[in-house]
Amino acid sequence: SQKIEQNSEALNIQEGKTATLTCNYTNYSPAYLQWYRQDPGRGPVFLLLIRENEKEKRKERLKVTFDTTLKQSLFHITASQPADSATYLCALPNSGYALNFGKGTSLLVTP
Amino acid sequence: GAVVSQHPSRVICKSGTSVKIECRSLDFQATTMFWYRQFPKQSLMLMATSNEGSKATYEQGVEKDKFLINHASLTLSTLTVTSAHPEDSSFYICSAGDRASKNIQYFGAGTRLSVL
Repeated sequence: SQKIEQNSEALNIQEGKTATLTCNYTNYSPAYLQWYRQDPGRGPVFLLLIRENEKEKRKERLKVTFDTTLKQSLFHITASQPADSATYLCALPNSGYALNFGKGTSLLVTP
Repeated sequence: GAVVSQHPSRVICKSGTSVKIECRSLDFQATTMFWYRQFPKQSLMLMATSNEGSKATYEQGVEKDKFLINHASLTLSTLTVTSAHPEDSSFYICSAGDRASKNIQYFGAGTRLSVL
């Protein structure tokens, strides 16, 4: 069956450091992969989409890599800030335009 | 970016009653909307795909008679939880993709349903 695995343990880092989150998947051949941010009690917010033919994508302090051989995506936040504290979700396409989500990794950035 | 409005944000109801949740795309037309359910510390689970003008497509294990979906217009989809029971208590979230960026989902703020 298809699986999306994200590190279930919370990631605690100090402000200013780079946070790196991992998303591994099995039994998928996705055309793209997405990352979302979710704050407690809120719906997810889209951050980045990376396509299968793209190795890396950047948006401001965010960087995503996509290795279809390893079946892995890495999500980096550079110069992290306390406001970056949230749960980050990895998502892969389901049938049509629906998405399958990982459980997410909780990030806590401390001053 | 596109805005999706979901209402109500929180509802508490008695067991056996029905609850309707609305999902609106405010500044774009959505031929397809999606309904997800999320339990604490769990991932979002797709319940159904809501198609404008036609029947919804339900994921395996989701009872279509329990979770009624109506998508009567290009900007509104509703989810009705019929005869709600405590085990239906959860966080329900809708999403939609606009035609320009079909791969990106814009999510509502979610509805916290508590069935007593």
